[in-house]
Amino acid sequence: GQNIDQPTEMTATEGAIVQINCTYQTSGFNGLFWYQQHAGEAPTFLSYNVLDGLEEKGRFSSFLSRSKGYSYLLLKELQMKDSASYLCAVRSLPGSARQLTFGSGTQLTVLP
Amino acid sequence: EAEVAQSPRYKITEKSQAVAFWCDPISGHATLYWYRQILGQGPELLVQFQDESVVDDSQLPKDRFSAERLKGVDSTLKIQPAELGDSAMYLCASSPTGTGQEKLFFGSGTQLSVL
Repeated sequence: GQNIDQPTEMTATEGAIVQINCTYQTSGFNGLFWYQQHAGEAPTFLSYNVLDGLEEKGRFSSFLSRSKGYSYLLLKELQMKDSASYLCAVRSLPGSARQLTFGSGTQLTVLP
Repeated sequence: EAEVAQSPRYKITEKSQAVAFWCDPISGHATLYWYRQILGQGPELLVQFQDESVVDDSQLPKDRFSAERLKGVDSTLKIQPAELGDSAMYLCASSPTGTGQEKLFFGSGTQLSVL
């Protein structure tokens, strides 16, 4: 099975930097996704990591350490529209059940 | 950009009634997922299809839930009878093959309220 942990809530100020952590335990690992979900809307894709290291995409970056079962999402130059839930999701190996498992999400509130 | 279509957007029903949700994935996507998301939690997989075949329904409450994708294109998720605890957002998603680094494309979801 898979177990994914991320903080329930975080608060940050507009213009600041915030790091959202995700730790996972899995019987087989085939990549980690980050999704953004605004209230009442569908999740939208932010990033994907399968190898160790940092992936940068504009204001958002995502880091992975497979040996530690750890990832983080880094958001720079925060904007009010970044207030949303951020979901960490782990993909298991092909042929496994529940190939993509989501964490419970981290609700980020950006304050002016 | 192509989108995953879901309907209805909202559904209110009384317990013990039957409800059905419809999903049309992005054209050409072989893999279709139904997720249930309770407020404040992450999406939980109910069923995953590869073309018309079910590849994972281990978390689907089969005594009341059923899902089909008869022609390997659109899909229907049914609940009969609905219970109060079924109130949630039901999300459909699709991806080309369901493997590797493919991201999932989500529909807007159906918000179900059982009274």
